[in-house]
Amino acid sequence: EVQLVESGGGLVQPGRSMKLSCAASGFTFSNYGMAWVRQAPTKGLEWVATISYDGSSTYYRDSVKGRFTISRDNAKSTLYLQMNSLRSEDTATYYCTRAGTGDYWGQGVMVTVSS
Amino acid sequence: DVVMTQTPVSMSVSLGGQVSISCRSSQSLVHNNGNTYLSWYIQKPSQSPQLLIYKVSNRFSGISDRFSGSGSGTDFTLKISRVEPDDLGVYYCGQGTQYPLTFGSGTKLEIK
Repeated sequence: EVQLVESGGGLVQPGRSMKLSCAASGFTFSNYGMAWVRQAPTKGLEWVATISYDGSSTYYRDSVKGRFTISRDNAKSTLYLQMNSLRSEDTATYYCTRAGTGDYWGQGVMVTVSS
Repeated sequence: DVVMTQTPVSMSVSLGGQVSISCRSSQSLVHNNGNTYLSWYIQKPSQSPQLLIYKVSNRFSGISDRFSGSGSGTDFTLKISRVEPDDLGVYYCGQGTQYPLTFGSGTKLEIK
């Protein structure tokens, strides 16, 4: 059974950093691109970043470029999202998803950016 | 960026009825490789999104044949037949053809 389990969220002050993790199981992690998608409270879905199966290619939405870094450790079957210089508008539930069709999603982790 | 426009914003349907949700993209979703990366998702209350349909018309594993997707280019439709109570939620279309990936704003389905 495919499972994606996010962790690392919480309350953080504006301008500070936070790192999210997504532990994957039930499939060969190193064969798949992965992505982060977020959802602000009461809002719709917003793609954040994608990383290729081997980590050689990454893609970001403009609003997070230069602040967020997506990475992966295939030996640990884990996806990461390093978020720096956080802003109030980054407040959202962050989902990790298997890239391509987005066929599997984690349960999400809440990130609240507030002083 | 590709803008995805979904209509209606919300709809109410009787059990056993049929609904259609429209999704239009501001640009063609046909990829250079010939595939069209248009997907449909449902987000049930307090849950993560779930994939229903990928590449316009392919049902994901375990998805009922009551769900069907159609369309091409910039105009796509999700149809749900014989609506059941478990179908309530917000439906999103999403495109994976071009970065940044984008989603429609959602259609909330309520059961009468």
